[in-house]
Amino acid sequence: DADVTQTPRNRITKTGKRIMLECSQTKGHDRMYWYRQDPGLGLRLIYYSFDVKDINKGEISDGYSVSRQAQAKFSLSLESAIPNQTALYFCATSGFMDTGELFFGEGSRLTVL
Amino acid sequence: AQSVAQPEDQVNVAEGNPLTVKCTYSVSGNPYLFWYVQYPNRGLQFLLKYITGDNLVKGSYGFEAEFNKSQTSFHLKKPSALVSDSALYFCAVRDPDTGRRALTFGSGTRLQVQP
Repeated sequence: DADVTQTPRNRITKTGKRIMLECSQTKGHDRMYWYRQDPGLGLRLIYYSFDVKDINKGEISDGYSVSRQAQAKFSLSLESAIPNQTALYFCATSGFMDTGELFFGEGSRLTVL
Repeated sequence: AQSVAQPEDQVNVAEGNPLTVKCTYSVSGNPYLFWYVQYPNRGLQFLLKYITGDNLVKGSYGFEAEFNKSQTSFHLKKPSALVSDSALYFCAVRDPDTGRRALTFGSGTRLQVQP
């Protein structure tokens, strides 16, 4: 089983719908992140959380919200999806040390029509 | 602010030849630098990092990277490319002196290794 699991892996939805992407991890890491990948733009940080009570906005948080339900779970919500939120979304985790690398999930491909 | 640039969208190299994927960074202090690789339909995987110490860093799958402070670069290299190295490569940076607590990624460089 994967250490960082994202669900759903693929989702097609319509403009205005609410969508939730879920991430769970078995690595025991405190730090979790949501990134968005668009062709030619690389990965951009949406939100990150360093523990259950610590939620921080990233570069592109507008239109998104997150919930850290437990150390192992970090969900990303689009309250009212719009077409330019069509992208590949990645959840990642890292350990306590600031020099530690990120561990990524397999990604959730979201298409907003 | 911290930022990273990957000037090449794609790099093409023949199998067996050396490869270089370029990365330059901008930070106010001393950077933490990373390389990640993404294979098709997969998440990113960590390759190597520079935090401090030797400027030449060795990582997974025979890759290495050289930190050059004067040129603010952290180019990824491999002496002999394999077809299986074909993937999307991302450089990332973090400036620990700014208090920013997450990585900033470059736009990615697609490496194509021809047989």
